[in-house]
Amino acid sequence: KNQVEQSPQSLIILEGKNCTLQCNYTVSPFSNLRWYKQDTGRGPVSLTIMTFSENTKSNGRYTATLDADTKQSSLHITASQLSDSASYICVVSARRLYSGAGSYQLTFGKGTKLSVIP
Amino acid sequence: EPEVTQTPSHQVTQMGQEVILRCVPISNHLYFYWYRQILGQKVEFLVSFYNNEISEKSEIFDDQFSVERPDGSNFTLKIRSTKLEDSAMYFCASRGSSGATDTQYFGPGTRLTVL
Repeated sequence: KNQVEQSPQSLIILEGKNCTLQCNYTVSPFSNLRWYKQDTGRGPVSLTIMTFSENTKSNGRYTATLDADTKQSSLHITASQLSDSASYICVVSARRLYSGAGSYQLTFGKGTKLSVIP
Repeated sequence: EPEVTQTPSHQVTQMGQEVILRCVPISNHLYFYWYRQILGQKVEFLVSFYNNEISEKSEIFDDQFSVERPDGSNFTLKIRSTKLEDSAMYFCASRGSSGATDTQYFGPGTRLTVL
């Protein structure tokens, strides 16, 4: 069964500090890995998408890494801001074995709840 | 910037009643999705929709659920006879192409409360 595990479950950091969130997955056949930011009561917003051949991808202060061999990913947030307080969700896309348009299914992790405090 | 919209933002209903959740995907998108998130739990896939038919559905998407694109702009999720455990946030998402790395854009969600 496809699974995505994230750690830590929650994290509190001081404004301006860096932090790293972890994601381990068992998803097959792997297509790509995404990090989403979800503010409380809102829909997820895409931060990065990485395919099998990509090791790192940045989006502003967010840098995601991917090790497809160990099936691990991390999201590093630099110089955190109060507005970074949110849940960060690791999502892995599996390519479906039968052909068909858009035949990819997303498996979501439970997320890491990040709180940035002044 | 184009965005996915959902209505209502909050729906309260009695157990056994039918509800219809509405979504307006981004206008040139072709692939549509419904997800749900029970409070405190992870987002779960319900169904994907392309070319006016269901592409894929999860185990959660049983006979009580149906989806429709009635007029070329709206995308609806109907729950025929709601149960207490249907209480959750329901997110609609859309994307433009079949590319594996194409971003799914999520709507703000509808919070469904079943009493």
